[in-house]
Amino acid sequence: AQSVTQLDSQVPVFEEAPVELRCNYSSSVSVYLFWYVQYPNQGLQLLLKYLSGSTLVKGINGFEAEFNKSQTSFHLRKPSVHISDTAEYFCALNAGGTSYGKLTFGQGTILTVHP
Amino acid sequence: DAGITQSPRYKITETGRQVTLMCHQTWSHSYMFWYRQDLGHGLRLIYYSAAADITDKGEVPDGYVVSRSKTENFPLTLESATRSQTSVYFCASTSGTPFNYEQYFGPGTRLTVT
Repeated sequence: AQSVTQLDSQVPVFEEAPVELRCNYSSSVSVYLFWYVQYPNQGLQLLLKYLSGSTLVKGINGFEAEFNKSQTSFHLRKPSVHISDTAEYFCALNAGGTSYGKLTFGQGTILTVHP
Repeated sequence: DAGITQSPRYKITETGRQVTLMCHQTWSHSYMFWYRQDLGHGLRLIYYSAAADITDKGEVPDGYVVSRSKTENFPLTLESATRSQTSVYFCASTSGTPFNYEQYFGPGTRLTVT
């Protein structure tokens, strides 16, 4: 079985400061990893994904994440946040194979950017 | 419109009533999913479908029924709604292409059971 743990339920930060949202996962097989963002009253949209290759993945809106297999982590980072980055962020994994495209989600991290 | 749509966007119903949430996608994606989102639980998978007429249970299927007679539609029915089913429901789809399981999400349906 797979699981995803987002280590912080809420992260407050000031505008233009750097931010890191932490995600650890557990799986007995190779995984594909995703970060999604949800703005208020909207659906989820993909920020970035790790499928294979380079462990540093760049996504939209200046976000990036690093896949660390030894630490089973996939932390999301942004060097300088903006007010518009205020949203809920979800880490998710897919176990490939016969998983039928299913994603296992973490509980979410609410990022609040203060002016 | 291209993409994935859900209807209704908002629904209030009474305990014991049957309610159906609709999901439609225009990409001909093979895989479709229903999630519910509750505070502190993230997204939990209710049911999923690998193709027309192929469905299977997810993490929290009790009290829900799905069908998929056409590739593009994946309705979710609450047979006898309960207050615990008050939630935001998201439909998603993916092509399931190997090495690319990115899911595309609809805008959600906010369901309140009174």
